[in-house]
Amino acid sequence: SYELTQPPSVSVSPGQTASISCSGDKLGSKYTCWYQLKPGQSPVLVIYQDSRRPSGIPERFSGSNSGNTATLTISGTQAMDEADYYCQAWDSSTGVFGTGTKVTVL
Amino acid sequence: EVQLVESGGGVVRPGGSLRLSCAASGFTFDDYGMSWVRQAPGKGLEWVSGINWNGGSTGYADSVKGRFTISRDNAKNSLYLQMNSLRAEDTALYHCARDLIPGAVVTDAFDIWGQGTMVTVSS
Repeated sequence: SYELTQPPSVSVSPGQTASISCSGDKLGSKYTCWYQLKPGQSPVLVIYQDSRRPSGIPERFSGSNSGNTATLTISGTQAMDEADYYCQAWDSSTGVFGTGTKVTVL
Repeated sequence: EVQLVESGGGVVRPGGSLRLSCAASGFTFDDYGMSWVRQAPGKGLEWVSGINWNGGSTGYADSVKGRFTISRDNAKNSLYLQMNSLRAEDTALYHCARDLIPGAVVTDAFDIWGQGTMVTVSS
């Protein structure tokens, strides 16, 4: 079955840039989206179709996807961005989530 | 307000059954495909099942195939998940989620999520 691998954790200082990778076989040939998940809340879509931002998502969130790796970048990270982040793609009409990355803003 | 509200969770013994419901409001329900996504305690997100706008196409994760059935009633603006032969590993918070793009042939992403309903499988 298809797998998406993310680093378990990423630490970033306020105002700096956080980058979260998501690796999967030929992932660049699929659309990838990203979700933010905070404790006690439902997931929030922050990036879809590799690099598009839904309305209401701050411009500091951006995405890219090429080769075997998709990347979510948070520029000028704020304390409110501390959360778990999950990538997601589709393989043979089956939804696949990444392993998740905890972003800590120190 | 666009909203999804799940119900039907609870505690069930291994081998038992539950039926989850998701009530949609604030949008034209039959324009959108829908999915169920779960999160086990302390674990990550897992896509469980999806259904297109008219119920004509469904999909399942390998972990639930043959045990779970997704369905919808567009007249009632409702999504369902019939869960049979439940196992301890099915214990999770179950969310329903709306496809981002109405009428999409292939699901892309989920833009609206419910708060979830908890399912606990334990003897």
